[in-house]
Amino acid sequence: QVQLVQSGAEVKKPGSSVKVSCKASGGTFSSYTFNWVRQAPGQGLEWVGRTIPILGIANYAQKFQGRVTITADKSTSTAYMEVTSLRSEDTAVYFCARSFFGDHVPLDYWGQGTLVTVSP
Amino acid sequence: DIQMTQSPSTLSASVGDRVTITCRASQNINTWLAWYQQKPGKAPELLIQKAFSLESGVPSRFSGSGSGTEFTLTISSLQPDDFATYYCQQYDSYYPTFGQGTRVEIK
Repeated sequence: QVQLVQSGAEVKKPGSSVKVSCKASGGTFSSYTFNWVRQAPGQGLEWVGRTIPILGIANYAQKFQGRVTITADKSTSTAYMEVTSLRSEDTAVYFCARSFFGDHVPLDYWGQGTLVTVSP
Repeated sequence: DIQMTQSPSTLSASVGDRVTITCRASQNINTWLAWYQQKPGKAPELLIQKAFSLESGVPSRFSGSGSGTEFTLTISSLQPDDFATYYCQQYDSYYPTFGQGTRVEIK
C-alpha cells in the first residue's frame, strides 16, 4: 500500500536550517509530484511547494521562494524539504503529500507530519 | 493567488444532524476542488475530489457539490467519527490554496 514516511521532529535555533525527508513506497516514484504543506500550531494548511521528480524541477509558493528548497532522490524514492534562516514563525508541522504527475490533481496521500520547533 | 473562503469557521452539531459547509473561491475554478478531513494530531485525508467525486472508502453520507466559485460539503447524518476539521482546496491554479478550515464540534 501507499506510504509516505517522514523524518522525526526537530528543534532548531533561529537562523539555522532544517531538512525534512519523506520516503515514499507503494507506487512508481517518478509518476508523482511530492508537495509540502505546513500547519502552524492551531492554524490551517498552507502549501509550501512541490518537486516533480520526472522533470527534476521544483515550484514554490511566493512566500517561501528563496528560503525553501525542495528536492527528490529517485534512487531512494525520497523527497526532501530544506528551510533556511529559520525564524519562530516557521514553527509548524510540515506534511509531505503526493499527487499524480499532471494538471489538476489533488493531494491523495499524506505523510504523518514532522514537527519543526524554532526556539532560542 | 486564488483565495478560498470557508464558512462557518466552527459548527456545533449533534449526531444525526445534516451538516453543510460552504467554500467560495475568489475566481472560477471549474470543479477543481477537493475536500479533506483532519483529526487532531493526524494528517489530512482526501474525502472528495473534482468537487463531487467521493474517494474510495469514504462513507456515502458525505457528498460534494458546486462549480465555478461556490461549493458545498454535506454530511447527511453526522456520526461520532465525523467530528473533525474540514478543509477545501483548489487545484485549478498551478499554486494550490486551502480554505481556512471548518471545525465540526459536538453540540
